[in-house]
Amino acid sequence: SQWGEENLQALSIQEGEDVTMNCSYKTYTTVVHWYRQDSGRGPALIILIRSNEREKRSGRLRATLDTSSQSSSLSITAAQCEDTAVYFCATTGYQNFYFGKGTSLTVIP
Amino acid sequence: DTTVKQNPRYKLARVGKPVNLICSQTMNHDTMYWYQKKPNQAPKLLLFYYDKILNREADTFEKFQSSRPNNSFCSLYIGSAGLEYSAMYLCASSRHNYAEQFFGPGTRLTVL
Repeated sequence: SQWGEENLQALSIQEGEDVTMNCSYKTYTTVVHWYRQDSGRGPALIILIRSNEREKRSGRLRATLDTSSQSSSLSITAAQCEDTAVYFCATTGYQNFYFGKGTSLTVIP
Repeated sequence: DTTVKQNPRYKLARVGKPVNLICSQTMNHDTMYWYQKKPNQAPKLLLFYYDKILNREADTFEKFQSSRPNNSFCSLYIGSAGLEYSAMYLCASSRHNYAEQFFGPGTRLTVL
């Protein structure tokens, strides 16, 4: 398997809180993708971070990548109810694409 | 239009019967993928087409077939469905192997 342990499988937080999801991977990758999947829909890319970047921001999202520890994190600032979804990290290698198990995030109003 | 379409959205199949799932995209993407997703598991890559070249994962090599008659369409074929094939099947496409993948809504297959 490409994946190490993911820290959390399910998270429930209050609206307005910050949240961080982590994942670690086993083999070399040049890109880490973070996708979110809403109920009844396919995954959609929300942020992508390359191996030469340590941090990437997009609105309330912040992704980090530590290639030395082969880990990545996704943080959401001031979570809102519409952030409720399943979040996946994924890595790309030569002719393959690996998804982590995902974190189900529930934001409670 | 960044939509990836999948048909059907729900499929019921009998054990031992064939199943054919269809995916289409109009983004002129070179690469199209098929994933299997079971509850509480990560989407698992089954195979992908880069242009006309089919790449199948080693552990699913004999279980799934695929065809890509043109750039827009890609099918996933199961010759003889087993109970273990019950899952969500996700199709995706991308400009190239390392680029963002655009996913369809999935086909939920139930094998009885």
